[in-house]
Amino acid sequence: GDSVTQMEGPVTLSEEAFLTINCTYTATGYPSLFWYVQYPGEGLQLLLKATKADDKGSNKGFEATYRKETTSFHLEKGSVQVSDSAVYFCALSMDTGRRALTFGSGTRLQVQP
Amino acid sequence: NAGVTQTPKFRILKIGQSMTLQCTQDMNHNYMYWYRQDPGMGLKLIYYSVGAGITDKGEVPNGYNVSRSTTEDFPLRLELAAPSQTSVYFCASSSLQGLTYEQYFGPGTRLTVT
Repeated sequence: GDSVTQMEGPVTLSEEAFLTINCTYTATGYPSLFWYVQYPGEGLQLLLKATKADDKGSNKGFEATYRKETTSFHLEKGSVQVSDSAVYFCALSMDTGRRALTFGSGTRLQVQP
Repeated sequence: NAGVTQTPKFRILKIGQSMTLQCTQDMNHNYMYWYRQDPGMGLKLIYYSVGAGITDKGEVPNGYNVSRSTTEDFPLRLELAAPSQTSVYFCASSSLQGLTYEQYFGPGTRLTVT
């Protein structure tokens, strides 16, 4: 079945450091790819998405590029802030059938001032 | 628009008790979902619905039941609660946004079974 693998956390960075969180996927067909963010005590919010190969999703300084050849969707940000501290989930869905999300296990990011 | 709302926010159950987690969305979405999130893990799909009157199992349906009598409401029923059902439960609904379906999540219900 479909699956998503994320790098394990926690990831601890100083403010203004560069962030990369790795994500790879396995899927039959051509999924849409997503990054969701979960702040402490809250639900999940969509951060960015990409629907086909070579698409780049971006939002709030975060970027991720859909790489079909490496089945990857790594999340990057050039300069993190303390307010970016959260858990980040990579996910995929197929645009047919139940359209449910398949999630990675999440990566906790801690940004220190 | 309130989006997706869930009640209660927190609940403690004793083993063997039953309860219903409520989920309502006001966006007229056909697709709705229930996920559970165990500590340090991603979300896993319990049940989903593609429209009023139509529901189906996800990856982890055992111990749960759902119904979908209206477009807006998608309650999740726990019968005979067990400690393994201690988790955070998220309801979501989805709609087509551009080329793909996006899901909108409720704030979650934190359930403890002791």
